[in-house]
Amino acid sequence: GQQLNQSPQSMFIQEGEDVSMNCTSSSIFNTWLWYKQDPGEGPVLLIALYKAGELTSNGRLTAQFGITRKDSFLNISASIPSDVGIYFCAGRRDNTNAGKSTFGDGTTLTVKP
Amino acid sequence: EAQVTQNPRYLITVTGKKLTVTCSQNMNHEYMSWYRQDPGLGLRQIYYSMNVEVTDKGDVPEGYKVSRKEKRNFPLILESPSPNQTSLYFCASSLRGSEQFFGPGTRLTVL
Repeated sequence: GQQLNQSPQSMFIQEGEDVSMNCTSSSIFNTWLWYKQDPGEGPVLLIALYKAGELTSNGRLTAQFGITRKDSFLNISASIPSDVGIYFCAGRRDNTNAGKSTFGDGTTLTVKP
Repeated sequence: EAQVTQNPRYLITVTGKKLTVTCSQNMNHEYMSWYRQDPGLGLRQIYYSMNVEVTDKGDVPEGYKVSRKEKRNFPLILESPSPNQTSLYFCASSLRGSEQFFGPGTRLTVL
């Protein structure tokens, strides 16, 4: 099936540092989404991107939908301890109420106080 | 409160004993989906449903069944569980299929 390559696999950073992670695919996606999973819980949507080139922010988080529609980036500025968790990218081929969802393998973020 | 609920949250069973994991959402969402999460493999889609009586396979449907008789419920059925189905399972719902709300997860162990 479709595959999303998410990197890095894990990150260990100091509180206050900025974080960047990305997701690439060999296939084109029409929607890119970023989720965060806290330990012991289900993923929660952070940002949804629907248009190539779109740049969207949610507080300290900024995500971009790549121009080629084959990649997406998530940046976290001035990290804090509660940013700890697993971050997943997800792609969908269709914008309508149909179609499969493909997730990346996740980036595990550890923030040292 | 808008939510997706799953039951049970934890289950230990034996090979071959049929089981059902229930999923219910109260947001009147048309789209529902099941995923399994395994270490290093991210979330893999098992089945999804676009509406009542409409279901389709995801990337890893083998060994699973689903049904969508009502809009709010989307149970996952394992007719004859095997140890390789030991995993963390998530149900999710969405208004249009993109922005998904996830349940709290069901941790299944098959001995």
